[in-house]
Order: sequence, then structure tokens, then C-alpha cells
Amino acid sequence: NAGVTQTPKFQVLKTGQSMTLQCAQDMNHEYMSWYRQDPGMGLRLIHYSVGAGITDQGEVPNGYNVSRSTTEDFPLRLLSAAPSQTSVYFCASRRGTSGYNEQFFGPGTRLTVL
Amino acid sequence: GQQLNQSPQSMFIQEGEDVSMNCTSSSIFNTWLWYKQDPGEGPVLLIALYKAGELTSNGRLTAQFGITRKDSFLNISASIPSDVGIYFCAGTSGTYKYIFGTGTRLKVLA
Repeated sequence: NAGVTQTPKFQVLKTGQSMTLQCAQDMNHEYMSWYRQDPGMGLRLIHYSVGAGITDQGEVPNGYNVSRSTTEDFPLRLLSAAPSQTSVYFCASRRGTSGYNEQFFGPGTRLTVL
Repeated sequence: GQQLNQSPQSMFIQEGEDVSMNCTSSSIFNTWLWYKQDPGEGPVLLIALYKAGELTSNGRLTAQFGITRKDSFLNISASIPSDVGIYFCAGTSGTYKYIFGTGTRLKVLA
């Protein structure tokens, strides 16, 4: 199993550009989520999904869209990038939706918005 | 948004020393988790705690779920250079969402 994979690993955007951060998992996990990590802030939840076709907002959803058309994939879209979205983005997945299952993280995407 | 208070923010220790860090919350959690993040990588789960008072070990790591359910502690015994990294606590009250601490950055001096 590859676990949770994320692409790209690094990305530089100009303000106003759009892009999609890809996330995939091959563990048949129901729950997937996106976090952003900023210095001194820990990880903050952007959006999450409890299964294909079901998504919901996390703590900091503004400026981001998600969709979950398959169990495996959970892309994060930035429609109009802003410098405030410069961050490291982590995708995570876990089996089931209770808090008692281990959450696996991808390696991260480092995004810079100029 | 809610964040957990994690302390210390960073620490330098000598190789072989024991390390302690803690995490406190204003909310009651029913699960506490401790993660380690190496540079350029995603967090990896170290220990999961599921009930108040629970003490769980993973090698040289020991974590405790506080009796009040609002805090948790992580101890690392006899630190080694590969312990370098950022340690995060996380908690959940049983919903889908984990709340993460701000991290403790550990640096080990050989």
C-alpha cells in the first residue's frame, strides 16, 4: 500500500491563480480531511469528508473547495489564490468516522502564493 | 478556532536526558493522540489514549490521559538524536474533528 499520497510536493502560485492539490489513499478509508499547517499554529482543519459524495467544512474553509467523487480521492481546490494561503497542506485519512481509528497523514504540499 | 495549549514550545536537551511535555484544553476530550513530525514529512501517530487516567507506553515513550480529561502528558526517556522533531498533541470529543496543539519542537544535543 502507498498509504496517503499528495501531489505536488511544492508549488508556487501568483495571487489570483487557481490550482488543485491532489490527495489519494489506497486503504479504502471512509474519512478524509485536509489541514493546513502554519508556523506556531499547529494543524487546522480546512474540509473533511466522511464518504464519497459527502463533504463538510472544518475550522478554516474560506477560499477552498473540495469534492469527493470516489473513496480514494479528495482534491482541494484554490479558486483564486491569496498570499494568506501560503502554507503547508496535509491530507489525512482514517478508517471509519469515530475518533478511535488512527489517522494517516500524507507527506504534505508546500504552497507559496506570491 | 479552538487550539490546544501545548508546552513547552521548544526545548534543547542533552542526549540521554528524559523529556516531558504536556497539552491542556478548555474542553473535555474522550481521545488524546500524540504525533511526531519529522522535517518535510507528515505527522505520524505515536500513542493513542482512550480513557481518563490511562497510561500507555510505546518503547521509550509514555503518555497519560489526564484525570480531568482536559490534559495529556508525553514523556520520552533517554533521548537520542533521532527524537528530534515536532511533537503534536491532538484531541477529539468523539466527533470527526481533531483539535491539534501548536507543537513542541525538540532538539537533541549529542
